[in-house]
Amino acid sequence: EAQVTQNPRYLITVTGKKLTVTCSQNMNHEYMSWYRQDPGLGLRQIYYSMNVEVTDKGDVPEGYKVSRKEKRNFPLILESPSPNQTSLYFCASSPIAGSGNTIYFGEGSWLTVV
Amino acid sequence: AQSVTQLGSHVSVSEGALVLLRCNYSSSVPPYLFWYVQYPNQGLQLLLKYTSAATLVKGINGFEAEFKKSETSFHLTKPSAHMSDAAEYFCAVSESGGYNKLIFGAGTRLAVHP
Repeated sequence: EAQVTQNPRYLITVTGKKLTVTCSQNMNHEYMSWYRQDPGLGLRQIYYSMNVEVTDKGDVPEGYKVSRKEKRNFPLILESPSPNQTSLYFCASSPIAGSGNTIYFGEGSWLTVV
Repeated sequence: AQSVTQLGSHVSVSEGALVLLRCNYSSSVPPYLFWYVQYPNQGLQLLLKYTSAATLVKGINGFEAEFKKSETSFHLTKPSAHMSDAAEYFCAVSESGGYNKLIFGAGTRLAVHP
């Protein structure tokens, strides 16, 4: 089954404790990205990757890092999480980097930073 | 800069009634437009998308949307609401010729009453 898989789905952590949210897609997609969803703001893009070893900032990259060492994986790293990073995070992928392509989303990762 | 405005953060309808969720966009170039649905505790699922072909777009689950350039609108409709339609709906825009970055509206939560 074609899918985008994120882990963990739910996490409560403490301020400053580094964490990684993994994302994997099995559709051989070139383009992957991370969004965060906050009430009243919709989804906002954090980082994106056009292909392996090619990443760039989205609209809200502060406090986050990403890497793209393999085509299928695109982990999101919070080096020193803070409470304002409490949010619902979505990983997404699409076949190629071109507008109009359908973007496929994972099921989301609920992150709480206390 | 692109933006998306969804009028009404909450919409409530009776089962069998018309569903109308409003979306207006701003874009300096011809846009691609999307509607996504998010059921409780699930990721985002594509309902339909407009990519400059027919202005009336039919999607899954009986939903459709009409692209009106003169009104910069892309409203989502369904003739007869079903209880299973209760969810949050997001309108999104992507500029043609650009990357796969989606700009999302704040979302509209649809409630369906018996």
